[in-house]
Amino acid sequence: QLQLQESGPGLVKPSETLSLTCTVSGGSINSSDYYWGWIRQPPGKGLEYIGNIYYSGYTYYNPSLRSRVTISIDTSKNQFSLKLSSATAADTAVYYCARHRLGARDFDYWGQGTLVTVSS
Amino acid sequence: QSVLTQPPSVSAAPGQKVTISCSGSSSNIGDNYVSWYQHLPGTAPKLLIYDNNKRPSGIPDRFSGSKSGTSATLGITGLQTGDEADYYCGTWDSSLSAGVFGGGTKLTVL
Repeated sequence: QLQLQESGPGLVKPSETLSLTCTVSGGSINSSDYYWGWIRQPPGKGLEYIGNIYYSGYTYYNPSLRSRVTISIDTSKNQFSLKLSSATAADTAVYYCARHRLGARDFDYWGQGTLVTVSS
Repeated sequence: QSVLTQPPSVSAAPGQKVTISCSGSSSNIGDNYVSWYQHLPGTAPKLLIYDNNKRPSGIPDRFSGSKSGTSATLGITGLQTGDEADYYCGTWDSSLSAGVFGGGTKLTVL
């Protein structure tokens, strides 16, 4: 059974970089059938797509976040990571990592999510 | 403002049927498959419907999906109190080259 687990600091100071890692177990991240993605949910709001990465390193990003987002992948560790620079209070959210299927373009496996608060 | 439009809330009595709409455009719903997710507070979203109308293993046939043009619909029959959750539609936007979600619909089973 595939499992994804987010990890990283729960508190980030304004203007600093928010960094999270997703560790995948029960399957290989080095697959041509899937992308690996990040989605977030601010308090009281809906889901927001952040971006995806392929095992080759190819990425797609939400245009509204593109200037601040970097998603990277480490196939040797079966992990992929998110960096969001110049964080503000508006970036406070529960951050989810998920598997994105190439054909269906859906997210079929999700991590439990991790709350990141941006505050001084 | 979400790219896909959903009603903020719907409600129905136990045992009844409800539908949730999701409206988009030619570059997203009109050009790609639609998926639906059930999200209970404090848990990970769960994939309910993929490829417009297919159910993953373990999802009961009370849940159904359909798509027509630039709109999609999630249907839930035989409503149970355990179905109370937020429901999101999602798809790919070919113009944005990005995933997009609806704003979410809160289902209340009265």
